[in-house]
Amino acid sequence: ETGVTQSPTHLIKTRGQQVTLRCSSQSGHNTVSWYQQALGQGPQFIFQYYREEENGRGNFPPRFSGLQFPNYSSELNVNALELDDSALYLCASSLLAGSSYEQYFGPGTRLTVT
Amino acid sequence: ILNVEQSPQSLHVQEGDSTNFTCSFPSSNFYALHWYRWETAKSPEALFVMTLNGDEKKKGRISATLNTKEGYSYLYIKGSQPEDSATYLCASLLGAGNQFYFGTGTSLTVIP
Repeated sequence: ETGVTQSPTHLIKTRGQQVTLRCSSQSGHNTVSWYQQALGQGPQFIFQYYREEENGRGNFPPRFSGLQFPNYSSELNVNALELDDSALYLCASSLLAGSSYEQYFGPGTRLTVT
Repeated sequence: ILNVEQSPQSLHVQEGDSTNFTCSFPSSNFYALHWYRWETAKSPEALFVMTLNGDEKKKGRISATLNTKEGYSYLYIKGSQPEDSATYLCASLLGAGNQFYFGTGTSLTVIP
């Protein structure tokens, strides 16, 4: 296992609600990236945090937001949930940003929006 | 959006068979290609980080090659074992950014 943990493992929310997902990065890593994997697709990049600042964002609306804390753990917040937000959410930690760094993934949080 | 494609989508092989999969990516502005192995209910595990044209990497019975000029990478598994059953993902990184573009994966099932 990678040492990257995510919580919760799975959860069910109703359309319009808000959700917070959490990720603890591997010791010594300063970068966390978040991905959304919808059914039948590959993981899609949501955003990346490097030393507590957003360091790149994919094609996701502003209702997807994040935080990184001084211990480099991270949160993904999604407001006004839509049915299409149902997916597996993965976080990945790494040591450096902007290089061919190796990413260490957590096991994911399965979000179901009804 | 950068299109990274993997083929085949799924594959069933007998134990002991050798197999290979393909990852295709746009060759312009290439920076790196990563291969991951993802077993059900576990975290994706990094297999290889490849950056140079002509790179060949090996880990046990698994190896990979990279052609950045034509935009493809091959992953080979020699003498497949049931424990090799997993989804194999590739992800491409462009030079200008830090956004990985993933393929949809190849699901491998090794039949004992």
